[in-house]
Amino acid sequence: QQQVKQSPQSLIVQKGGISIINCAYENTAFDYFPWYQQFPGKGPALLIAIRPDVSEKKEGRFTISFNKSAKQFSLHIMDSQPGDSATYFCAARFSGGYNKLIFGAGTRLAVHP
Amino acid sequence: EPEVTQTPSHQVTQMGQEVILRCVPISNHLYFYWYRQILGQKVEFLVSFYNNEISEKSEIFDDQFSVERPDGSNFTLKIRSTKLEDSAMYFCASSELGRGRTGELFFGEGSRLTVL
Repeated sequence: QQQVKQSPQSLIVQKGGISIINCAYENTAFDYFPWYQQFPGKGPALLIAIRPDVSEKKEGRFTISFNKSAKQFSLHIMDSQPGDSATYFCAARFSGGYNKLIFGAGTRLAVHP
Repeated sequence: EPEVTQTPSHQVTQMGQEVILRCVPISNHLYFYWYRQILGQKVEFLVSFYNNEISEKSEIFDDQFSVERPDGSNFTLKIRSTKLEDSAMYFCASSELGRGRTGELFFGEGSRLTVL
């Protein structure tokens, strides 16, 4: 029940294409769903986040789509660039908790020129 | 831009030895965290710390682990007697907001611990 399932494990996209990463959860006590980007040798950095009362959030080329009834959310990267090549983690936070994030397993994205 | 800094970047230790990992959170943040990432696996929550005490911990955070804020700037993670399975990247994080509020976590670059 504490798991966040993320897919795919790895993704190869051509420059200019759309990258789509999916996550699913079971626990309805989650109230905040961030996506983190991690470059090799660096810590995770917040990319974009959404609360469950919103179905979509867009920031630049990055969009989160959230389906509360299906308990699924996804990250779309439009016009993918080689500089987007990184590992992406979805996460979920328990409501009322102390920012305890449950992370997905990660997706290694490679954008080829 | 303010950042979370961690030392050392890499530590190699023998099984059974004590290790202390150090972190300097962002100065105006009040909530502090340790997460770890075993190579190739997901990031896992270890502990959160607020107002000089542990506010929440995971089942991973057993009696071998402890955290401390020895002064106004440092936040440390101590592993008393390291085991092979403690080998991982340990990330410190801090946030301005905490319980029940959506406070962005800022992560440090991590301390890689290798236990031989």
